[in-house]
Amino acid sequence: GAVVSQHPSRVICKSGTSVKIECRSLDFQATTMFWYRQFPKKSLMLMATSNEGSKATYEQGVEKDKFLINHASLTLSTLTVTSAHPEDSSFYICSAIPTLWGQPYEQYFGPGTRLTVT
Amino acid sequence: ILNVEQSPQSLHVQEGDSTNFTCSFPSSNFYALHWYRWETAKSPEALFVMTLNGDEKKKGRISATLNTKEGYSYLYIKGSQPEDSATYLCAFRRNSGNTPLVFGKGTRLSVIA
Repeated sequence: GAVVSQHPSRVICKSGTSVKIECRSLDFQATTMFWYRQFPKKSLMLMATSNEGSKATYEQGVEKDKFLINHASLTLSTLTVTSAHPEDSSFYICSAIPTLWGQPYEQYFGPGTRLTVT
Repeated sequence: ILNVEQSPQSLHVQEGDSTNFTCSFPSSNFYALHWYRWETAKSPEALFVMTLNGDEKKKGRISATLNTKEGYSYLYIKGSQPEDSATYLCAFRRNSGNTPLVFGKGTRLSVIA
C-alpha cells in the first residue's frame, strides 16, 4: 500500500526557535497534501492544504506566517513552525492524496510528529 | 461548520465479543465516508471508503455500512481480538475527491484477552 513518511517523529525545542517537519510520499506522487493538528482528546483539525507548486491554503484561525508550508515537489511537503511557543506543542500529522484519476481519492497518512516546546 | 460525531468515545470489550460504533455526518454535499484504524505511534490505516447510499464493505471480521440520506455509518467488528485494540476514526469528505477530510474524535477500542 501507499506509504507516507514523516520526520521527525518527535522533537523537543526551546521557545523562540523554529522547527521543520517533513512529509514525504514514498511510492506515489501527491499533488495535494494536508496538514492536521491534534489537541488532546480532540479530533484531527485541518490546518492547511498544501498544493505542489502553489501557495498553501490555510484554514481560518491558522496563522500562515507562523506555520510555513512549502510543497516544492510532488513527493515532499514541509511544515515549519516559526518562533515556536509552548502553546504550539501538539501532534502534527500530514496526509497525501495520490495524483490519480478516478473517484474517490484515497488519502494516506504519515505517522505524525509530536512537538514539545519548552 | 462541519461536524462529524462518533460514539462511543471509548469501549472495552472481552475477546470474542462483537461490537459496533457509530459515525454521524452532514447529509448534504456528501462525497465519501472514510474509516481509519489508528494504532499509537503508527500511521492511520485506511479501512474503508464508501460513497454510495446503502454501501456495505467488509474486510475480514470488520464491516461497515453507510446511510447518506440520514447521515450515519456503522462499523462492526465480529469476534473482537486483542489486536483490534486501536482508535477507529471516521472522516467525511464533501463535494469532491480533493477536498480535505473532516474527522470525528474517534472511538477508542480496547479488547481484553
